[in-house]
Amino acid sequence: GQNIDQPTEMTATEGAIVQINCTYQTSGFNGLFWYQQHAGEAPTFLSYNVLDGLEEKGRFSSFLSRSKGYSYLLLKELQMKDSASYLCARGDSNYQLIWGAGTKLIIKP
Amino acid sequence: DGGITQSPKYLFRKEGQNVTLSCEQNLNHDAMYWYRQDPGQGLRLIYYSQIVNDFQKGDIAEGYSVSREKKESFPLTVTSAQKNPTAFYLCASSIADEVTSYEQYFGPGTRLTVT
Repeated sequence: GQNIDQPTEMTATEGAIVQINCTYQTSGFNGLFWYQQHAGEAPTFLSYNVLDGLEEKGRFSSFLSRSKGYSYLLLKELQMKDSASYLCARGDSNYQLIWGAGTKLIIKP
Repeated sequence: DGGITQSPKYLFRKEGQNVTLSCEQNLNHDAMYWYRQDPGQGLRLIYYSQIVNDFQKGDIAEGYSVSREKKESFPLTVTSAQKNPTAFYLCASSIADEVTSYEQYFGPGTRLTVT
């Protein structure tokens, strides 16, 4: 993706916690967004951060540090159905989303 | 049920043929988008439309064309000029205002294979 970096693949164990990091170019920043995409399916919106700090939504939380150009998605109590790709996207000043390549998360029993 | 539909799910074409991918939404969204997704790459914007009868080129518009004659519909034509048309195509829609335009709703996608 354009100036958005996230790991290509991660592996975690069912029931554990995993943190997926995302770094982005800070110019023209207008929010940081996380989407989930199961293989062969459409992305679905998970969360967004506009201000610094942690946003919690059930088992999923997302964190943002605007000064560092850094975000992470934290998934707790991992379930097998969480196996998917997680896409980090930055909002730009034209109200468009700039997408990272996604992190494929593999959950093992 | 409100949602966004794309058809067909799989499409096969011979090289040199134009093909049109459909996208329909009944969410009453003003904004619609077409993305292309290739393995190992992020979603890349082909075209978008914020309002009926108006659309803008995205990052990779060459070889593609669109129309927006109705609010609900935003078809994408992949022309023979597109050099590498084989890909997964995703259509999305959103409310067209400052923050919620980033919350995009996606259709199920069309996987196009050109041989």
